[in-house]
Amino acid sequence: AQSVTQPDIHITVSEGASLELRCNYSYGATPYLFWYVQSPGQGLQLLLKYFSGDTLVQGIKGFEAEFKRSQSSFNLRKPSVHWSDAAEYFCAVGANQAGTALIFGKGTTLSVSS
Amino acid sequence: NAGVTQTPKFRVLKTGQSMTLLCAQDMNHEYMYWYRQDPGMGLRLIHYSVGEGTTAKGEVPDGYNVSRLKKQNFLLGLESAAPSQTSVYFCASSYPDRFSPLHFGNGTRLTVT
Repeated sequence: AQSVTQPDIHITVSEGASLELRCNYSYGATPYLFWYVQSPGQGLQLLLKYFSGDTLVQGIKGFEAEFKRSQSSFNLRKPSVHWSDAAEYFCAVGANQAGTALIFGKGTTLSVSS
Repeated sequence: NAGVTQTPKFRVLKTGQSMTLLCAQDMNHEYMYWYRQDPGMGLRLIHYSVGEGTTAKGEVPDGYNVSRLKKQNFLLGLESAAPSQTSVYFCASSYPDRFSPLHFGNGTRLTVT
């Protein structure tokens, strides 16, 4: 069965510092991977996605993620965090057939300190 | 561009009451989904639909029913609300392929007392 693990429940980063949020997946074939961000009181917004090809994927708001098959990971990174990046971040894996939904991790809450 | 619209935004119910949450999308998406979000649990799929007139169970379907009578609408019903159904409910929609990202509404916060 597919699953997604986000090992860090809560991370605090200083403004201007770099960020890495971890995501590990369990999947039997080539995964379809997504990162979403949720600001307080809002729905989820897509940051980036990976299907195939280049394992380093660029997204919106200066985020990037790297797919590492050998480690079953899809970690999200940002070189310099801004206070507005404080939010909850979800990693998700796509189902192995059309017509089924994404499987989400439990999320990582990012706090940004000044 | 409205995208995915959920109504109502907030609701308080008493145990045993019923209600329907409405989700409407204007992107002509085939697929629609209902998730619930609880602290520390992430998003869990309740029901989903791959087209008008079709629905399927997700991970946590018990206590909920859904209907997709029109392509643009996906209704989530609670026939007899329980405190365990206190949650934030999100509707999402997507194109009919596994590459397509989900587009989310802003959620409905439901409290059952």
